[in-house]
Amino acid sequence: DAKTTQPPSMDCAEGRAANLPCNHSTISGNEYVYWYRQIHSQGPQYIIHGLKNNETNEMASLIITEDRKSSTLILPHATLRDTAVYYCIVRATHSGNTPLVFGKGTRLSVIA
Amino acid sequence: GAGVSQSPRYKVAKRGQDVALRCDPISGHVSLFWYQQALGQGPEFLTYFQNEAQLDKSGLPSDRFFAERPEGSVSTLKIQRTQQEDSAVYLCASSFAGTGYYEQYFGPGTRLTVT
Repeated sequence: DAKTTQPPSMDCAEGRAANLPCNHSTISGNEYVYWYRQIHSQGPQYIIHGLKNNETNEMASLIITEDRKSSTLILPHATLRDTAVYYCIVRATHSGNTPLVFGKGTRLSVIA
Repeated sequence: GAGVSQSPRYKVAKRGQDVALRCDPISGHVSLFWYQQALGQGPEFLTYFQNEAQLDKSGLPSDRFFAERPEGSVSTLKIQRTQQEDSAVYLCASSFAGTGYYEQYFGPGTRLTVT
């Protein structure tokens, strides 16, 4: 079973920041937080990951609380193309040979 | 470069038929995963290959499901005697295997409908 809890859906106005929360209260010290998204009729796409520190890349920012029991994915200026299902995943290893455990994710709708 | 490709993109099978789904991973990727995604759900792990070796098949739902990767590149997922509950999107993903290579690259999936 997925070890994360996410709201089933969220709306965001185009051009505004989208803040997607994730609870992972049972996360272990060596587990990373990963975010993937899935646009309709496509496969999931990697966005970002982190362990303890906040992370930023060209797609998004990841804010992890100090106790690591929750995190927030931030899309700073959401566009219509960001409409997708966003999955928060905790993962014990940092290598490419372990499967991803997906929950149901958050369906983000960006509205014009 | 080219991403992960899957074929066919759509497959309709009558109950009881056998189907074969193909995955072409990114060249040089050692790891290959198959996932099953039911409507409205997140993807669920089926099986994992490292090169030609099938190291984990714990997610295969029954012995009607069989996967192979004989030369360590292209993989085929075969479902025998399809049933309606097999209707889903089947996703393939590939990645490097070493520590630090964390990203899985997914194909577009094959949507299987069993009638």
